[in-house]
Amino acid sequence: GESVGLHLPTLSVQEGDNSIINCAYSNSASDYFIWYKQESGKGPQFIIDIRSNMDKRQGQRVTVLLNKTVKHLSLQIAATQPGDSAVYFCAENGGDSSYKLIFGSGTRLLVRP
Amino acid sequence: GAGVSQSPRYKVAKRGQDVALRCDPISGHVSLFWYQQALGQGPEFLTYFQNEAQLDKSGLPSDRFFAERPEGSVSTLKIQRTQQEDSAVYLCASSLSPGTVGLEQYFGPGTRLTVT
Repeated sequence: GESVGLHLPTLSVQEGDNSIINCAYSNSASDYFIWYKQESGKGPQFIIDIRSNMDKRQGQRVTVLLNKTVKHLSLQIAATQPGDSAVYFCAENGGDSSYKLIFGSGTRLLVRP
Repeated sequence: GAGVSQSPRYKVAKRGQDVALRCDPISGHVSLFWYQQALGQGPEFLTYFQNEAQLDKSGLPSDRFFAERPEGSVSTLKIQRTQQEDSAVYLCASSLSPGTVGLEQYFGPGTRLTVT
């Protein structure tokens, strides 16, 4: 399949370790944030979301942390698996409960066996 | 259950040609979005439909880009007189309800357009 991005920041982790992917968002008015996973040749796949009235939300093996003071979002993946290898994008909505998503530039996660 | 499908998956066009990209959203989904994704970048919003109404086309880069959804289901993104800078992956997404925050957008696999 095609590469989603050839010059993205890359995080390389050992299988079984925890991964932390960081994102700085741009608009202090944004009130909704999403993490997407994109595998080569596929469209983005929803992982987890969080609203601005929360600072932490947990899913299955994933946790999203939101720090509005410094406009920072992070995605934590527990016990990283080879199937987690992909490009990860954070997205924000720009505020006013807007549907229009603004994506970050992405981070490539490589899981070493 | 089928997800969002897009066709063609790959399109090569000579500069100056017109192209039409198709999106079949998930059945019953009211909202439909088009995004453009350049290599190594995140997707960028192009336009939004609620049923057949195009409510937001603020992201369309020029008047060469035109999108329609005449019956509120299938959508077509048309690019006239393609230029090399139009080369990108064009993603379609749909969601169940009118565009409000908190409703998951399901993405299709995209159409990779290469303009030579």
